[in-house]
Amino acid sequence: AQKITQTQPGMFVQEKEAVTLDCTYDTSDPSYGLFWYKQPSSGEMIFLIYQGSYDQQNATEGRYSLNFQKARKSANLVISASQLGDSAMYFCAMREGLYSGGGADGLTFGKGTHLIIQP
Amino acid sequence: NAGVMQNPRHLVRRRGQEARLRCSPMKGHSHVYWYRQLPEEGLKFMVYLQKENIIDESGMPKERFSAEFPKEGPSILRIQQVVRGDSAAYFCASSADTQYFGPGTRLTVL
Repeated sequence: AQKITQTQPGMFVQEKEAVTLDCTYDTSDPSYGLFWYKQPSSGEMIFLIYQGSYDQQNATEGRYSLNFQKARKSANLVISASQLGDSAMYFCAMREGLYSGGGADGLTFGKGTHLIIQP
Repeated sequence: NAGVMQNPRHLVRRRGQEARLRCSPMKGHSHVYWYRQLPEEGLKFMVYLQKENIIDESGMPKERFSAEFPKEGPSILRIQQVVRGDSAAYFCASSADTQYFGPGTRLTVL
């Protein structure tokens, strides 16, 4: 079974609109962390936002926010007021055993969503 | 404050040659992770190292691939006798907590 599922291979969005990128995850570990990374066409991986499984509030970083619904095991990324420079691949990732010391050490990534912002 | 450095950025090898990829972590980070990204795919974890120790190599292919992180100098991912299927982008990340990625090395095997 996929540990991280991103159901949207691609999205076209009008500039200045809000965007929601879907991510669902699968783990039986009570302690885990969820991450979003942006990969523009230049290829680098840029860290955007992090949510810990025990965090009480949804994470926010500037125009990025994470809609964390623990019971549904979803961690959608919301980009407010999209800009042309937001066009990129977006990857959701998880690390398990964050506080227990167990689990995998590396991040498990989804297949990504290709977001294109149109003027 | 320099980020994670990787070199070379692009590497071309013929089948059967060796590829050496280097990664210098961010200052103050002692944890290094290597990932591989095939075209149109997400990143796949390969190996996690601390200085002079391999902590988790569960994602490393059993043959031809090795990694090290010596006491001095960068971490090295070494691929011996490369084959066309090794063509990919190889990313290094370092962390004290959150993983920050380098720009990647794009390996092309002819």
